[in-house]
Amino acid sequence: GENVEQHPSTLSVQEGDSAVIKCTYSDSASNYFPWYKQELGKRPQLIIDIRSNVGEKKDQRIAVTLNKTAKHFSLHITETQPEDSAVYFCAASSYYGQNFVFGPGTRLSVLP
Amino acid sequence: DGGITQSPKYLFRKEGQNVTLSCEQNLNHDAMYWYRQDPGQGLRLIYYSQIVNDFQKGDIAEGYSVSREKKESFPLTVTSAQKNPTAFYLCASSIEDQPQHFGDGTRLSIL
Repeated sequence: GENVEQHPSTLSVQEGDSAVIKCTYSDSASNYFPWYKQELGKRPQLIIDIRSNVGEKKDQRIAVTLNKTAKHFSLHITETQPEDSAVYFCAASSYYGQNFVFGPGTRLSVLP
Repeated sequence: DGGITQSPKYLFRKEGQNVTLSCEQNLNHDAMYWYRQDPGQGLRLIYYSQIVNDFQKGDIAEGYSVSREKKESFPLTVTSAQKNPTAFYLCASSIEDQPQHFGDGTRLSIL
């Protein structure tokens, strides 16, 4: 089955700096890769996603890149703000967006 | 998302007791999921269902049971066989080729 690894497990950056979180997956059949943000005690919320026919996707300060050959994808947050502090989860799916496998999460702290 | 409702928000279980967590969605999603999240940890899949009257075990199904009698509902029962049930339980749903949407979660504790 699919296995998703995520690094780093914790990340601290200064406000205004960029943050990068990387995930690798094992199943070459995976074709959909969402990223979720979870604030303390709350539900995970989708922040951006990418499909296997696309190499990069941007949404304001957030971007995701996908390297299918190497089986890894990354989340990039630019101009970080204190409200970006949260746990971020990557996921991979190979069946029409269902049967997700989540990475273990990255705790991002943006220091003022 | 307002389309997925989990209840109760907090639940306490006594030793030897079964408890049921409710998950209802009005998004007309085919697939529904239950995850367990321990403090500082990721999401672990308990059960999932892709259609009514069908469900599959996830990675940590032991001590849990589910039913899917209606498309809108996917209740999770935490049985007395689950010896360490204290966790944050998240329900999610999705439709083909779309991301999962999560409910607000139920926090279960042992009395």
